[in-house]
Amino acid sequence: LAKTTQPISMDSYEGQEVNITCSHNNIATNDYITWYQQFPSQGPRFIIQGYKTKVTNEVASLFIPADRKSSTLSLPRVSLSDTAVYYCLVGDTDSGYSTLTFGKGTMLLVSP
Amino acid sequence: NAGVTQTPKFQVLKTGQSMTLQCAQDMNHEYMSWYRQDPGMGLRLIHYSVGAGITDQGEVPNGYNVSRSTTEDFPLRLLSAAPSQTSVYFCASRGQGRDEQFFGPGTRLTVL
Repeated sequence: LAKTTQPISMDSYEGQEVNITCSHNNIATNDYITWYQQFPSQGPRFIIQGYKTKVTNEVASLFIPADRKSSTLSLPRVSLSDTAVYYCLVGDTDSGYSTLTFGKGTMLLVSP
Repeated sequence: NAGVTQTPKFQVLKTGQSMTLQCAQDMNHEYMSWYRQDPGMGLRLIHYSVGAGITDQGEVPNGYNVSRSTTEDFPLRLLSAAPSQTSVYFCASRGQGRDEQFFGPGTRLTVL
């Protein structure tokens, strides 16, 4: 199983860009990188998924270097409502659940 | 679509009691799973199913049973509750391939 390492917490202010990096040195060839967001007392919510280079959607961007040993979730112009825990998952969901592991995530606190 | 629904939202049990946590999805997803989340921790996979009639163990299966008689429902049974099973339980589902997982609102269980 690909183990991931993320910062435990990050602080930011409204309007700033936030970049959360995830390290996954033993990522496998078939593994994808997926990020989820979780608010208190709610289930996680999918943000973005990628395999290599850059992926962008209406919420975030995901940057993956050529060696794929790390990835960076970029949240543009955060607001107070972006305060949440962000999880980086690495695995091949096409082969089942057993390859996906939620770590402790990164607690992002956005202040006014 | 209601998405993924879970009942009950809250439950208090005494040690040794049994109960079933209900999970249902109306998206015709093949994959369903159960996670537990302890305070300050990420989610840990308990059991999962890749289709009706097929289930498998996750990271922390001991003390829990599951069955998948229909595509829509995936109940989680605690046969003899223990204080160590005090946690928040999340059910999730997803379609085939590398789609996102959709999580339910969670069940907060306390075992006294």
